[in-house]
Amino acid sequence: DARVTQTPRHKVTEMGQEVTMRCQPILGHNTVFWYRQTMMQGLELLAYFRNRAPLDDSGMPKDRFSAEMPDATLATLKIQPSEPRDSAVYFCASGFYPAQDEQFFGPGTRLTVL
Amino acid sequence: GQQVMQIPQYQHVQEGEDFTTYCNSSTTLSNIQWYKQRPGGHPVFLIQLVKSGEVKKQKRLTFQFGEAKKNSSLHITATQTTDVGTYFCAPHGRSNFGNEKLTFGTGTRLTIIP
Repeated sequence: DARVTQTPRHKVTEMGQEVTMRCQPILGHNTVFWYRQTMMQGLELLAYFRNRAPLDDSGMPKDRFSAEMPDATLATLKIQPSEPRDSAVYFCASGFYPAQDEQFFGPGTRLTVL
Repeated sequence: GQQVMQIPQYQHVQEGEDFTTYCNSSTTLSNIQWYKQRPGGHPVFLIQLVKSGEVKKQKRLTFQFGEAKKNSSLHITATQTTDVGTYFCAPHGRSNFGNEKLTFGTGTRLTIIP
């Protein structure tokens, strides 16, 4: 049963610290998405990649956030320095375009910045 | 940019009653997806609608796409406790690379009173 995996599942850190979240997309998927979910803003797209190349990161605060795909099996989202307003659940999703439009979401990383 | 409104924001129903959530867009959509997120879980794909006036059914769930392709609805007949969660519509927006970019609606949170 192929699934998107994310680590860590929970992260509590202090303001100013660096946070790195990791995602392993479903094997064979060519597109990876990063989303952030909060009560106030809902589900927002931060960035996404196709065949490891960044296609759109317009939803991401550029000064402190960065997203990369070092290889086809790993996507990372980094926040440096973290702030309390970054507290949210961060979801990774993957898909195979254009053959499939469905996105498969990982379980998410719940981040709390104190 | 694309604006997506979902109503209602919350819905509490007695078990066995019907439930409907509506998704309205300010622009004509190419297609629309629906996702369900259980409490504490991640969004899970339910269905995609592509054609004007399309109606699709999954057991007790009926999905409709408006004739003008600006609105969509999800109707659940005879709700059960397993239907609890937040239902999101997600129209596809065009990017330079295709139509893989999703804009999630605000969601409708469904709670069931046993």
